[in-house]
Amino acid sequence: DVKVTQSSRYLVKRTGEKVFLECVQDMDHENMFWYRQDPGLGLRLIYFSYDVKMKEKGDIPEGYSVSREKKERFSLILESASTNQTSMYLCASSPTRGFNTEAFFGQGTRLTVV
Amino acid sequence: AQKVTQAQTEISVVEKEDVTLDCVYETRDTTYYLFWYKQPPSGELVFLIRRNSFDEQNEISGRYSWNFQKSTSSFNFTITASQVVDSAVYFCALSGENTNAGKSTFGDGTTLTVKP
Repeated sequence: DVKVTQSSRYLVKRTGEKVFLECVQDMDHENMFWYRQDPGLGLRLIYFSYDVKMKEKGDIPEGYSVSREKKERFSLILESASTNQTSMYLCASSPTRGFNTEAFFGQGTRLTVV
Repeated sequence: AQKVTQAQTEISVVEKEDVTLDCVYETRDTTYYLFWYKQPPSGELVFLIRRNSFDEQNEISGRYSWNFQKSTSSFNFTITASQVVDSAVYFCALSGENTNAGKSTFGDGTTLTVKP
């Protein structure tokens, strides 16, 4: 089974802190994604990556950056956390060949910024 | 631009009732893919079904069935004889012809509560 693992289920951080959310997948997928989930807003794409050291902005990249140094790992970085970044963050991966295959999701990280 | 609308924000049913979750989509692509995912309280989105735009056959999998109608741009999901374990948030998603499934456009989700 494909496994997408996010390093933390719950995080509480202070305003202004630098926050790292880590995601690892074990199926050698080329593509990895970070989403943010908020009530009534569905899933919104923050950043994605089609290859190592490659990144592209999604729909809401402001306030975030990403890092992909290894194929299996995709990190989301909040340079200076703010309270409006309190949310559920979901990581996903999918194979390159799969325009029509599903995405595989991690269990989510619920981040609270106080 | 693509759009997915799940008009039902929340649905509550009693166990054993049938329930249909609606999904309406917009796209200009002639080839596209539709998905349903389930998000239980544990948080992880779980893939349920994928359908491409050329396959309008309805599908049944156990208590789950899906009705795809291109004429009305709808891809509705029905749970027959609902169970408490069906309680979850359900997302409908759309990806275009040259779009990886991970970049799908998601609906806002429908929260289904099944009461015993």
